[in-house]
Amino acid sequence: QLVLTQSPSASASLGASVRLTCTLSSGHSTNAIAWYQQRPEKGPRYLMKVNSDGRHYRGDGVPDRFSGASSGAERYLTIFSLQSEDEADYYCQTWGTGFRVFGGGTKLTVL
Amino acid sequence: EVQLLESGGGLVQPGGSLRLSCAASGFTFNNYVMSWVRQAPGKGLEWVSVISGSSGSTYYADSVKGRFTISRDYSKNTLFLQMNSLRAGDTALYYCAREAGDDSYMNVWGKGTAVTVSS
Repeated sequence: QLVLTQSPSASASLGASVRLTCTLSSGHSTNAIAWYQQRPEKGPRYLMKVNSDGRHYRGDGVPDRFSGASSGAERYLTIFSLQSEDEADYYCQTWGTGFRVFGGGTKLTVL
Repeated sequence: EVQLLESGGGLVQPGGSLRLSCAASGFTFNNYVMSWVRQAPGKGLEWVSVISGSSGSTYYADSVKGRFTISRDYSKNTLFLQMNSLRAGDTALYYCAREAGDDSYMNVWGKGTAVTVSS
């Protein structure tokens, strides 16, 4: 059973940086993942795909303040120069034949 | 402009049925895998079902298998989700999403349609 684990919450100050983590369950450390942002009362927005080798591919219109990386079974989303509009829930997602799975999400608070 | 517009949500009693629709525009509908994802009030995202672009292969989350059916009408560029034997736990905002051509992440989302299962 493939599970994605995310911390429920994170916080950082305006203008600072924050790194969010998504951990793949045992045996799935080579999976690529995707990151999504969901602002309050809005639908999800695709941010980027992150491969196991750390290469990441941002979606259209996603600022380069958003960056992805990998280490082992962990996939990261780093947001630089935090802005108030970055306060949102962030979800990771992965996939396989016949299934898709989301992490539980991290609620990011910008202080 | 690429767009997905869901409809068909509403209030239904436990055990009832509902059919959701997702009208796609701005892209070649046949070429893309499509998914349904739901979000219960105050909860996270939960994948529900996926249908392939051409072969029509379908897959479901265990929580809905045997009760929900995903389908698509290529002539109308529309995705459907037939939901039967609805339960209170199916109450959620249902999103349709288009998967990327190169991999199974969802790079286009609709605004969602709300389903409430309650007596």
